[in-house]
Amino acid sequence: QVQLQESGPGLVKPSGTLSLTCAVSGGSISSSNWWSWVRQPPGKGLEWIGEIYHSGSTNYNPSLKSRVTISVDKSKNQFSLKLSSVTAADTAVYYCATGYCTNGVCYSNWFDPWGQGTLVTVSS
Amino acid sequence: EIVLTQSPGTLSLSPGERATLSCRASQSVSSSYLAWYQQKPGQAPRLLIYGASSRATGIPDRFSGSGSGTDFTLTISRLEPEDFAVYYCQQYGSSPPATFGQGTKLEIK
Repeated sequence: QVQLQESGPGLVKPSGTLSLTCAVSGGSISSSNWWSWVRQPPGKGLEWIGEIYHSGSTNYNPSLKSRVTISVDKSKNQFSLKLSSVTAADTAVYYCATGYCTNGVCYSNWFDPWGQGTLVTVSS
Repeated sequence: EIVLTQSPGTLSLSPGERATLSCRASQSVSSSYLAWYQQKPGQAPRLLIYGASSRATGIPDRFSGSGSGTDFTLTISRLEPEDFAVYYCQQYGSSPPATFGQGTKLEIK
């Protein structure tokens, strides 16, 4: 069973770059699946940030595309998120997630499992 | 981008009652691409329903999904105490981005 764990600084200064890593265990990041980042501002709803395939192919939310980079490190079985030029509006719990797999087939259309999430606060 | 609008914003019911949650899309969504999640405080979302009507692994059969086109429904047949949470619909079709509804809070009456 795949498990995901986010890590990274909990506090980032305005105009800085948010950097998070998602460690994958119980499975290979090189499997036939996409790996995503989703965020949730405190008390608000969910926003999909983007996704990556082990080949390095990416898809990003157009609303964040100019500031987002998602990368994969197959040697460490992990993937990462960088969000530049952050403001207070980027304060959120950041989740990593992957596509739901059933009966040997994985679907990038919906997300399961998820990591536990990590709160990143943008403040000076 | 497809916008998903959920209603009601808050639903107050008692254990044992039936809950009906709605998700309306700004344009037609293939039912294959519509999902529902449950989120409890301090926890990550959990996938309940995918493909509009298929239950994810381990999800009790009191949860069911239906709908097509622009109107989708999540039904919980008999509410258990652990079902009180926030529910989100989500779509991700042939092109990004994936989008989520704003959520429905199901609270104990």
